[in-house]
Parts: sequence; structure tokens; C-alpha cells
Amino acid sequence: GAVVSQHPSWVICKSGTSVKIECRSLDFQATTMFWYRQFPKQSLMLMATSNEGSKATYEQGVEKDKFLINHASLTLSTLTVTSAHPEDSSFYICSAGEGGRTGEAFFGQGTRLTVV
Amino acid sequence: AQTVTQSQPEMSVQEAETVTLSCTYDTSENNYYLFWYKQPPSRQMILVIRQEAYKQQNATENRFSVNFQKAAKSFSLKISDSQLGDTAMYFCAFMKYASGSRLTFGEGTQLTVNP
Repeated sequence: GAVVSQHPSWVICKSGTSVKIECRSLDFQATTMFWYRQFPKQSLMLMATSNEGSKATYEQGVEKDKFLINHASLTLSTLTVTSAHPEDSSFYICSAGEGGRTGEAFFGQGTRLTVV
Repeated sequence: AQTVTQSQPEMSVQEAETVTLSCTYDTSENNYYLFWYKQPPSRQMILVIRQEAYKQQNATENRFSVNFQKAAKSFSLKISDSQLGDTAMYFCAFMKYASGSRLTFGEGTQLTVNP
């Protein structure tokens, strides 16, 4: 199957700083990528849809100024958590699909963010 | 909007036995996919099995099979000959056709396989 690489796997940052997480599709082009957030022992909640060459679409309740998404190429989407606070600590996962043919989504390894 | 419900937060099974995880969903769509994903402690999401809604035949993948009841909007996962490595969180997920692989997940079921 296709490979999605997410980096970093884990990061610790101080309150008030910004953190960037990268999501790359290694062997296919992805016009759309998705960012999810997962709290311990809970499900994945969709935060936003990242669209190549255009603005991201955010789910209700997600602060677009807090979670900046950039999808500048067909293989790379980035999520920047700005002015991070301890409540932003979570597990963030990206996914991408090859298109509608198989419907399958491919997931990155996830990023554990801890804000201290 | 679609919703996916998993009513079993936790389940356990003895090694080599069979276990069934439940999932129901609600949608007004006629064309969609349903998935079961496994999330082990590493937290990497792993696709277990996929079902296309227009296919009446239930999907199978080795020890994993589903019981897809479209009219009842039910999509259960059966794991046969359970192995210790099956211990993980299992998520049922819904995907609308042509959604670019956007998924709606259920709450998850933590499965523990006991030796």
C-alpha cells in the first residue's frame, strides 16, 4: 500500500511557542489530506481537511488561527500549532488517500505533542 | 452527516477463540465504504478490512470477516482464532464515496486477547 510519513513522532515544546508537524505522501500524490486529533483512549476526531493549493476546511469548533494548515504541494501538508498551551497536548494524525478508486486512507505514524 | 457507533468500549477473549465487535452507523448515503482499523499500542492505524456498500458479499481477510447488514446499518467484525497480537483498539469507520478518503470513526473498542 501507499506510504504516508509524519514527522516528528513526538515533540515537547514550551507554552507560547509554535510547533510544525509535517505529513508527506511518499509514493503517491494527494490533493487532499486530513488532520485528526486523538486524546488518550478516545477516537480520532477530524480537525480539518487540507486541500492542495487552497485554504483548508476546518471542522466546527476547531480554531483556524490556532491550527494553521498549509498544503503547498501534492505530497506535503503541514499543521502548525501556534502559541501552544498545555491543553493542546495530544496525539495528532494525518491521512491521505490515492483518490476515489479504492477509498482507502493511509495514515502517518502520528505525532505526540506535549506542551509544558 | 454520518455517525458511527461502537457500543462496546472494552472486550476480552481467550487466545484461539472467536470474538465479534459491533458497529452501527447512520447515513443517508447509498454509496460508501466501511472499514475496520486496528490501533495497537504504537498508535499506528492499520487497516484490517474494507467493505464496499454496493457489494452484498461480506468481506473476509484471513482470520477477519465482517457481517455487513446494509438495511440494518450494521457492520460487525469477527476475529477467529484470536492471537495475542490482536490486542489493540479497534475502530469502525465510514467513508462516503468521492470524499477524498475522509473518515468518520466510531468511539473504538479496546480488545484484549488473554493467553
